[in-house]
Amino acid sequence: DTEVTQTPKHLVMGMTNKKSLKCEQHMGHRAMYWYKQKAKKPPELMFVYSYEKLSINESVPSRFSPECPNSSLLNLHLHALQPEDSALYLCASSQDERQGRSHTNYGYTFGSGTRLTVV
Amino acid sequence: AQSVTQLDSQVPVFEEAPVELRCNYSSSVSVYLFWYVQYPNQGLQLLLKYLSGSTLVESINGFEAEFNKSQTSFHLRKPSVHISDTAEYFCAVTGYGGSQGNLIFGKGTKLSVKP
Repeated sequence: DTEVTQTPKHLVMGMTNKKSLKCEQHMGHRAMYWYKQKAKKPPELMFVYSYEKLSINESVPSRFSPECPNSSLLNLHLHALQPEDSALYLCASSQDERQGRSHTNYGYTFGSGTRLTVV
Repeated sequence: AQSVTQLDSQVPVFEEAPVELRCNYSSSVSVYLFWYVQYPNQGLQLLLKYLSGSTLVESINGFEAEFNKSQTSFHLRKPSVHISDTAEYFCAVTGYGGSQGNLIFGKGTKLSVKP
């Protein structure tokens, strides 16, 4: 299995709703990522999990809450979002080789994304 | 830290013409380089990558890119484009080693192929 699977593909939610985005991979990758992509822009990194631990949070507002239940799954919990949070949310995974404090990441694979609309 | 510059935000070209999408990077460490393609309303697909070995890498649909360390470039080329190649193309880099080798994207180049 060489894919990253994201569900749902589309999501429309109100500003008072709570929803979750899900991501799954079975490639044995130990690093998983959430990216946000606005129209006509490159993906922007939100969170990085390395060996199931949150290693990077790029100053993302607390209305976005990531969770990594195990090495194959990554969730993004959404609560009280704003219309400007509407975007394509991409999950990715990669090999993460560690040597001491050094990481080398390669083999990045992206999911097809969740198109989120906040109304 | 790494950075990526894609010099052209838009490249219009006629069908069956050759195309080059330019990508330059900067890094204080050795790098891995990638080109991703994004078709309208879809996610990112890996087009090709340079990890090590031959500096010329090829994709299955006729694209190729050459890693040039002295010029810090990884330009993407195709000798004859098709309408179906119309998409956004992102160059990306990750550093070898360091505190966290995360993927850094360029701003993207929109390739528009006209009949």
